[in-house]
Amino acid sequence: EIVLTQSPGTLSLSPGERATLSCRASQSVSSSYLAWYQQKPGQAPRLLIYGASSRATGIPDRFSGSGSGTDFTLTISRLEPEDFAVYYCQQYGSSPSITFGPGTKVDIK
Amino acid sequence: EVQLVESGGGLVQPGGSLRLSCAASGFTFSSYWMSWVRQVPGKGLEWVANINQVGSEKYYVDSVKGRFTISRDNAKNSLYLQMSSLRAEDTAVYYCARLVLGFGRSFDYWGQGTLVTVSS
Repeated sequence: EIVLTQSPGTLSLSPGERATLSCRASQSVSSSYLAWYQQKPGQAPRLLIYGASSRATGIPDRFSGSGSGTDFTLTISRLEPEDFAVYYCQQYGSSPSITFGPGTKVDIK
Repeated sequence: EVQLVESGGGLVQPGGSLRLSCAASGFTFSSYWMSWVRQVPGKGLEWVANINQVGSEKYYVDSVKGRFTISRDNAKNSLYLQMSSLRAEDTAVYYCARLVLGFGRSFDYWGQGTLVTVSS
């Protein structure tokens, strides 16, 4: 099973700042099979990025994804008030086995 | 508009059973793989099970194999999760999600979740 590790656990930033979130896999992940989600309190997760770098429908272009192999990054170029939330990465492996990272909380500094 | 609406959660004793349902609308249900994902309140996400379009392929996380069964009824646009031999560690919000298996294997739509509490 591929284990995903996310860092930092919490990111404290101000609106307008840039957020850089990391997702590291225990073994190589196909870039096509790496996704990012946003979750706000009391809500279901929302797909942001699929295929490591493609934005899902309706996602603003301040969200971008990059990376390959074992290291992936979600970048929020300028934080808006509605972006303060928890972010999860997810991989789809063989078998199939789907795993999520533990999440990074982006909160207001 | 794609909608996924879960139901069937509640309080159940350890060792008991529960059946969750997910009503789908706004898309051609029979064309998609579907999944269940759970989340312990305040914790992270855990994939539980997948099922293919016709119900002939089913996959489970190891911790629920032999206890949970995923199924679907395409005529009713519904997804189900039959849970038995429930344990305290199965307590979670259970989400129904649509799984996209094209480029980028991810969950593109989610329901609002239904809470399952396993406790005596």
